[in-house]
Amino acid sequence: EAGVAQSPRYKIIEKRQSVAFWCNPISGHATLYWYQQILGQGPKLLIQFQNNGVVDDSQLPKDRFSAERLKGVDSTLKIQPAKLEDSAVYLCASSSGQGFGNTIYFGEGSWLTVV
Amino acid sequence: SQQGEEDPQALSIQEGENATMNCSYKTSINNLQWYRQNSGRGLVHLILIRSNEREKHSGRLRVTLDTSKKSSSLLITASRAADTASYFCAIETGANNLFFGTGTRLTVIP
Repeated sequence: EAGVAQSPRYKIIEKRQSVAFWCNPISGHATLYWYQQILGQGPKLLIQFQNNGVVDDSQLPKDRFSAERLKGVDSTLKIQPAKLEDSAVYLCASSSGQGFGNTIYFGEGSWLTVV
Repeated sequence: SQQGEEDPQALSIQEGENATMNCSYKTSINNLQWYRQNSGRGLVHLILIRSNEREKHSGRLRVTLDTSKKSSSLLITASRAADTASYFCAIETGANNLFFGTGTRLTVIP
């Protein structure tokens, strides 16, 4: 079974530029997550999708971050304009999403450095 | 805060020794999960313990949960160099909604 795919793996941009990350979840997984992990910290949920609808985006800085999940499969996370404090690993994850206690599978992450 | 908090922040042991990491939280939970993250990689699910369970085993892993104290521990027995990683607890409060702690960085010295 293929895992969660993310691209690009690494990105360096200047502040005020824009960047987009792509995620392809495990086939058949209804729930998709984007987490932000700053160096030395645990992952923080940015947004959670159930199929193509948003379940939770309460911690997404909506003035600069946006995410979509068209057709309930792939997802993109965009940052525009980027700030220095956005330097982090952006982790995409997916789960089958039926009730509690489902294992969440993570991708390898997209490492963003804003200079 | 809904996230878990791990203790210690860092732990260094000799290969073959046991490693114990603790997690405390403040809210009611449905379950608590432990994840491992190797340097530069994504997180890997290790074990889930439900709120009505007290102890769970998986290979060399033993997890305990005390909901009255709002705490959990992860024990790795007979540690190996390959166990070197960061370990995170995550609490599930709502369906499929996980809140992660800041992690324990484990170093196993060969």
